[in-house]
Amino acid sequence: NAGVTQTPKFQVLKTGQSMTLQCAQDMNHNSMYWYRQDPGMGLRLIYYSASEGTTDKGEVPNGYNVSRLNKREFSLRLESAAPSQTSVYFCASSEGLINQPQHFGDGTRLSIL
Amino acid sequence: GENVEQHPSTLSVQEGDSAVIKCTYSDSASNYFPWYKQELGKRPQLIIDIRSNVGEKKDQRIAVTLNKTAKHFSLHITETQPEDSAVYFCAASRGGTASKLTFGTGTRLQVTL
Repeated sequence: NAGVTQTPKFQVLKTGQSMTLQCAQDMNHNSMYWYRQDPGMGLRLIYYSASEGTTDKGEVPNGYNVSRLNKREFSLRLESAAPSQTSVYFCASSEGLINQPQHFGDGTRLSIL
Repeated sequence: GENVEQHPSTLSVQEGDSAVIKCTYSDSASNYFPWYKQELGKRPQLIIDIRSNVGEKKDQRIAVTLNKTAKHFSLHITETQPEDSAVYFCAASRGGTASKLTFGTGTRLQVTL
């Protein structure tokens, strides 16, 4: 039981390049989330998917797109990477019932030059 | 939207002493308050959570208190140990099927020998 798995763990991009971050969970959770973590700013929600087939914007969605591929997988895409998107990206999942804990993956460290 | 403020940003205590971290939230409809611990380079991990129908919750050396009237909640760690050194994040959610979390900016706790 791996929990939430993110790939890749590290990535360096050049400004303007595109990239898809992958996330998969094996806990049969309904809800999945993407956060970014920047120094001194905590975790900020980018997009989330309450259930398979639905996606919604979070606090900081600009410059990102997401796809809920199936119940297990939720990907985050940067179409044209910018230096301001340098961050650590975390995927999380939860059962989807009201007020259930979110479980996080190990994160992807993304640097954009 | 919800705003969560967390204090202090850094906290240094001696081993065996107690540590208290405080958070305030702005949305009176918030009803779920988890706390996450994040060690350097690792994923955030849930350590305790509390729902608005409860005023206090304990789990061994960790306790959380909630004051709904004042809209603040606190994390208490007793008999601190070096392995408690980490960054701690509070969060708040108003529920709903996806239970979106708004995080505080984190407290770096250092437990010295």
